[in-house]
Amino acid sequence: GALVYQYPRRTICKSGTSMRMECQAVGFQATSVAWYRQSPQKTFELIALSTVNSAIKYEQNFTQEKFPISHPNLSFSSMTVLNAYLEDRGLYLCGAKTGINTGQLYFGEGSKLTVL
Amino acid sequence: AQSVDQPDAHVTLSEGASLELRCSYSYSAAPYLFWYVQYPGQSLQFLLKYITGDTVVKGTKGFEAEFRKSNSSFNLKKSPAHWSDSAKYFCALEVMQQGTGSKLSFGKGAKLTVSP
Repeated sequence: GALVYQYPRRTICKSGTSMRMECQAVGFQATSVAWYRQSPQKTFELIALSTVNSAIKYEQNFTQEKFPISHPNLSFSSMTVLNAYLEDRGLYLCGAKTGINTGQLYFGEGSKLTVL
Repeated sequence: AQSVDQPDAHVTLSEGASLELRCSYSYSAAPYLFWYVQYPGQSLQFLLKYITGDTVVKGTKGFEAEFRKSNSSFNLKKSPAHWSDSAKYFCALEVMQQGTGSKLSFGKGAKLTVSP
């Protein structure tokens, strides 16, 4: 079956430091990877949509300078939260699927970021 | 612009009752709709989806949803509800983006509490 492994599951970092999270797809080709953030008590906001070997599209209010993403092949993607501050805390999810059009996203377990 | 509305932020019912979580959407093209569930401290789990065809779709964990084009709704149902169904439920709309594929736009979620 299709699985997405995401790690680390939890990170506590000091304000101003950075956190990197990784996403590994197993059993299918992760042509598209979407990174989401769920801030406390909120819904899921799309940060960026990445297609392998193509440009990464960031949503409004999110930038490559703050959330650099790498998607080098069909099984792996990573995202870093640079200079994390209190407003960056939350659950970060990667969702992956084959193809770029309609299809079910398989979500990882999430990386929870706490900023002190 | 597209949007997903879940009007009931909190739903409480007793075990054995029927549950229905409301979801309405606004989208100019044919909608692809999803329901996901998030248990406390966990990531998103896929429940079901509507792409085309039968307007009543069955999913995992005994859930089903009915797509109604007439009032742009995609309500989630289950009968009877069990205490283990207590979780937060998210309705999502897949939105096509020219050149970059599709993305999921989530509603704000509905927290369901089923008392034993």
